[in-house]
Amino acid sequence: TQLLEQSPQFLSIQEGENLTVYCNSSSVFSSLQWYRQEPGEGPVLLVTVVTGGEVKKLKRLTFQFGDARKDSSLHITAAQPGDTGLYLCAGARANAGKSTFGDGTTLTVKP
Amino acid sequence: ETGVTQTPRHLVMGMTNKKSLKCEQHLGHNAMYWYKQSAKKPLELMFVYNFKEQTENNSVPSRFSPECPNSSHLFLHLHTLQPEDSALYLCASSQTLAGAYEQYFGPGTRLTVT
Repeated sequence: TQLLEQSPQFLSIQEGENLTVYCNSSSVFSSLQWYRQEPGEGPVLLVTVVTGGEVKKLKRLTFQFGDARKDSSLHITAAQPGDTGLYLCAGARANAGKSTFGDGTTLTVKP
Repeated sequence: ETGVTQTPRHLVMGMTNKKSLKCEQHLGHNAMYWYKQSAKKPLELMFVYNFKEQTENNSVPSRFSPECPNSSHLFLHLHTLQPEDSALYLCASSQTLAGAYEQYFGPGTRLTVT
Protein backbone atom coordinates (compact mmCIF):
# COMPACT_ATOMS: atom_id res chain seq x y z
CA THR A 1 0.00 0.00 0.00
CA GLN A 2 1.47 3.32 -1.13
CA LEU A 3 1.11 5.77 1.75
CA LEU A 4 1.83 8.83 -0.38
CA GLU A 5 0.44 9.19 -3.90
CA GLN A 6 1.82 11.76 -6.29
CA SER A 7 0.10 13.02 -9.41
CA PRO A 8 0.56 13.33 -12.23
CA GLN A 9 3.22 10.66 -12.67
CA PHE A 10 4.60 12.38 -15.79
CA LEU A 11 4.26 15.96 -16.99
CA SER A 12 5.72 17.51 -20.13
CA ILE A 13 5.21 21.23 -20.75
CA GLN A 14 6.65 24.15 -22.69
CA GLU A 15 8.90 26.76 -21.15
CA GLY A 16 6.87 29.57 -19.61
CA GLU A 17 3.85 27.48 -18.65
CA ASN A 18 2.57 27.08 -15.09
CA LEU A 19 2.02 23.70 -13.43
CA THR A 20 0.90 22.08 -10.20
CA VAL A 21 1.82 18.66 -8.86
CA TYR A 22 0.11 16.96 -5.95
CA CYS A 23 1.02 14.72 -3.04
CA ASN A 24 -1.91 13.02 -1.31
CA SER A 25 -2.36 10.65 1.61
CA SER A 26 -5.00 9.37 3.99
CA SER A 27 -2.49 9.72 6.84
CA VAL A 28 -1.66 12.79 8.89
CA PHE A 29 1.96 13.89 8.78
CA SER A 30 3.88 15.96 11.31
CA SER A 31 6.02 17.33 8.49
CA LEU A 32 6.35 16.98 4.75
CA GLN A 33 9.35 17.58 2.50
CA TRP A 34 9.68 18.19 -1.23
CA TYR A 35 12.82 17.12 -3.10
CA ARG A 36 14.03 17.47 -6.69
CA GLN A 37 16.21 14.81 -8.26
CA GLU A 38 18.12 15.18 -11.51
CA PRO A 39 19.25 12.14 -13.53
CA GLY A 40 22.25 10.38 -12.02
CA GLU A 41 22.14 12.42 -8.81
CA GLY A 42 20.58 12.17 -5.38
CA PRO A 43 17.44 14.07 -4.34
CA VAL A 44 17.98 17.65 -3.16
CA LEU A 45 15.80 19.06 -0.40
CA LEU A 46 13.66 22.01 -1.55
CA VAL A 47 11.39 22.75 1.41
CA THR A 48 9.83 21.47 4.62
CA VAL A 49 6.25 22.29 5.68
CA VAL A 50 4.99 21.52 9.16
CA THR A 51 1.85 23.60 9.86
CA GLY A 52 -1.56 22.86 8.36
CA GLY A 53 -2.38 25.47 5.71
CA GLU A 54 1.23 26.64 5.51
CA VAL A 55 2.41 28.22 2.26
CA LYS A 56 6.10 28.60 1.43
CA LYS A 57 7.65 30.24 -1.60
CA LEU A 58 11.02 29.53 -3.15
CA LYS A 59 11.46 31.90 -6.12
CA ARG A 60 9.00 30.57 -8.73
CA LEU A 61 8.00 27.55 -6.61
CA THR A 62 5.06 27.70 -4.18
CA PHE A 63 4.49 24.87 -1.71
CA GLN A 64 1.29 24.38 0.25
CA PHE A 65 0.50 21.98 3.11
CA GLY A 66 -3.13 20.97 3.44
CA ASP A 67 -5.14 22.17 6.43
CA ALA A 68 -5.44 18.61 7.72
CA ARG A 69 -1.74 17.90 7.06
CA LYS A 70 -2.62 14.97 4.77
CA ASP A 71 -1.71 16.48 1.42
CA SER A 72 0.52 19.02 -0.26
CA SER A 73 0.96 20.74 -3.60
CA LEU A 74 3.83 22.28 -5.52
CA HIS A 75 3.07 25.04 -8.02
CA ILE A 76 5.70 26.27 -10.47
CA THR A 77 5.19 29.57 -12.25
CA ALA A 78 6.75 30.22 -15.66
CA ALA A 79 8.58 26.90 -15.79
CA GLN A 80 12.10 26.80 -17.17
CA PRO A 81 14.14 23.92 -18.63
CA GLY A 82 16.23 23.96 -15.45
CA ASP A 83 13.12 22.87 -13.52
CA THR A 84 13.25 19.50 -15.30
CA GLY A 85 13.61 16.59 -12.89
CA LEU A 86 11.87 14.12 -10.61
CA TYR A 87 9.89 15.81 -7.83
CA LEU A 88 9.47 13.71 -4.70
CA CYS A 89 7.39 14.37 -1.62
CA ALA A 90 8.16 12.67 1.69
CA GLY A 91 5.98 12.60 4.78
CA ALA A 92 7.01 11.96 8.35
CA ARG A 93 4.64 10.87 11.11
CA ALA A 94 5.42 11.80 14.69
CA ASN A 95 7.80 9.31 16.37
CA ALA A 96 7.89 7.06 13.27
CA GLY A 97 11.68 7.21 13.09
CA LYS A 98 11.58 7.49 9.30
CA SER A 99 9.78 9.24 6.47
CA THR A 100 7.84 7.75 3.54
CA PHE A 101 8.45 8.83 -0.04
CA GLY A 102 5.91 9.15 -2.82
CA ASP A 103 6.73 7.65 -6.21
CA GLY A 104 7.41 11.04 -7.73
CA THR A 105 6.38 13.27 -10.62
CA THR A 106 8.74 13.39 -13.59
CA LEU A 107 8.67 16.91 -15.05
CA THR A 108 10.08 17.80 -18.44
CA VAL A 109 10.18 21.46 -19.48
CA LYS A 110 10.88 21.92 -23.17
CA PRO A 111 12.62 25.08 -24.42
CA GLU B 1 34.45 17.76 1.30
CA THR B 2 30.97 18.97 2.11
CA GLY B 3 27.55 17.37 2.39
CA VAL B 4 27.19 13.65 1.78
CA THR B 5 29.67 11.77 -0.37
CA GLN B 6 29.39 8.26 -1.79
CA THR B 7 31.98 6.00 -3.39
CA PRO B 8 32.19 4.51 -5.87
CA ARG B 9 29.81 6.38 -8.17
CA HIS B 10 29.53 3.40 -10.50
CA LEU B 11 30.06 -0.30 -9.80
CA VAL B 12 29.75 -3.36 -12.01
CA MET B 13 30.01 -6.68 -10.24
CA GLY B 14 29.37 -10.33 -10.94
CA MET B 15 26.97 -12.39 -8.87
CA THR B 16 29.81 -14.11 -7.01
CA ASN B 17 31.76 -10.95 -6.15
CA LYS B 18 31.97 -9.17 -2.82
CA LYS B 19 32.07 -5.37 -2.80
CA SER B 20 31.30 -2.50 -0.44
CA LEU B 21 29.66 0.87 -0.88
CA LYS B 22 30.85 3.75 1.27
CA CYS B 23 29.02 6.82 2.48
CA GLU B 24 30.40 9.73 4.50
CA GLN B 25 28.53 12.76 5.79
CA HIS B 26 30.23 16.01 6.76
CA LEU B 27 27.11 17.66 8.27
CA GLY B 28 27.42 16.59 11.89
CA HIS B 29 24.22 14.55 11.63
CA ASN B 30 23.34 11.61 13.86
CA ALA B 31 21.10 9.51 11.60
CA MET B 32 22.05 7.80 8.34
CA TYR B 33 20.03 5.87 5.79
CA TRP B 34 20.42 3.50 2.84
CA TYR B 35 17.84 3.63 0.04
CA LYS B 36 17.43 1.62 -3.17
CA GLN B 37 16.04 3.36 -6.26
CA SER B 38 15.08 1.18 -9.21
CA ALA B 39 13.61 2.27 -12.51
CA LYS B 40 9.85 2.76 -12.30
CA LYS B 41 9.79 2.10 -8.53
CA PRO B 42 9.55 4.50 -5.61
CA LEU B 43 12.49 5.10 -3.33
CA GLU B 44 12.79 2.06 -1.06
CA LEU B 45 14.14 2.51 2.45
CA MET B 46 16.59 -0.28 3.33
CA PHE B 47 18.27 0.57 6.64
CA VAL B 48 18.28 3.36 9.23
CA TYR B 49 20.98 4.04 11.79
CA ASN B 50 20.72 6.49 14.67
CA PHE B 51 23.83 7.23 16.76
CA LYS B 52 25.47 4.13 15.16
CA GLU B 53 22.62 1.84 16.20
CA GLN B 54 20.40 0.19 13.59
CA THR B 55 16.78 1.24 14.08
CA GLU B 56 15.23 -0.04 10.86
CA ASN B 57 15.79 -3.04 8.60
CA ASN B 58 13.08 -2.99 5.98
CA SER B 59 13.09 -6.76 5.32
CA VAL B 60 16.29 -6.48 3.29
CA PRO B 61 17.85 -9.77 2.08
CA SER B 62 20.94 -10.85 3.99
CA ARG B 63 23.12 -10.46 0.89
CA PHE B 64 23.08 -6.76 1.85
CA SER B 65 24.96 -6.14 5.09
CA PRO B 66 25.17 -2.62 6.54
CA GLU B 67 27.85 -1.31 8.86
CA CYS B 68 27.91 1.99 10.76
CA PRO B 69 31.20 2.40 12.67
CA ASN B 70 30.40 5.99 13.71
CA SER B 71 27.81 8.69 13.02
CA SER B 72 29.74 9.98 9.99
CA HIS B 73 30.30 6.76 8.07
CA LEU B 74 27.99 4.13 6.65
CA PHE B 75 28.87 1.09 4.57
CA LEU B 76 26.84 -1.39 2.59
CA HIS B 77 28.59 -4.71 2.07
CA LEU B 78 27.40 -6.69 -0.93
CA HIS B 79 27.80 -10.40 -1.66
CA THR B 80 26.22 -12.94 -4.01
CA LEU B 81 23.90 -10.33 -5.49
CA GLN B 82 21.25 -11.00 -8.12
CA PRO B 83 20.67 -9.09 -11.39
CA GLU B 84 17.47 -7.61 -9.92
CA ASP B 85 19.65 -5.87 -7.32
CA SER B 86 20.92 -3.54 -10.05
CA ALA B 87 19.80 -0.04 -9.03
CA LEU B 88 20.91 3.34 -7.75
CA TYR B 89 21.86 3.06 -4.07
CA LEU B 90 21.45 6.29 -2.19
CA CYS B 91 22.81 7.25 1.19
CA ALA B 92 21.24 10.04 3.23
CA SER B 93 21.68 11.69 6.61
CA SER B 94 19.52 13.77 8.92
CA GLN B 95 20.12 15.62 12.16
CA THR B 96 18.08 13.16 14.19
CA LEU B 97 15.18 10.73 13.82
CA ALA B 98 12.86 13.24 15.48
CA GLY B 99 11.31 16.38 14.16
CA ALA B 100 11.23 17.33 10.50
CA TYR B 101 13.25 14.40 9.10
CA GLU B 102 14.95 16.63 6.56
CA GLN B 103 17.30 14.32 4.73
CA TYR B 104 20.42 15.18 2.77
CA PHE B 105 21.33 12.73 0.06
CA GLY B 106 24.59 11.71 -1.55
CA PRO B 107 24.91 11.39 -5.34
CA GLY B 108 24.38 7.64 -5.22
CA THR B 109 26.19 4.55 -6.46
CA ARG B 110 24.91 3.13 -9.75
CA LEU B 111 25.22 -0.66 -9.28
CA THR B 112 25.02 -3.13 -12.13
CA VAL B 113 25.02 -6.86 -11.32
CA THR B 114 25.98 -9.07 -14.24
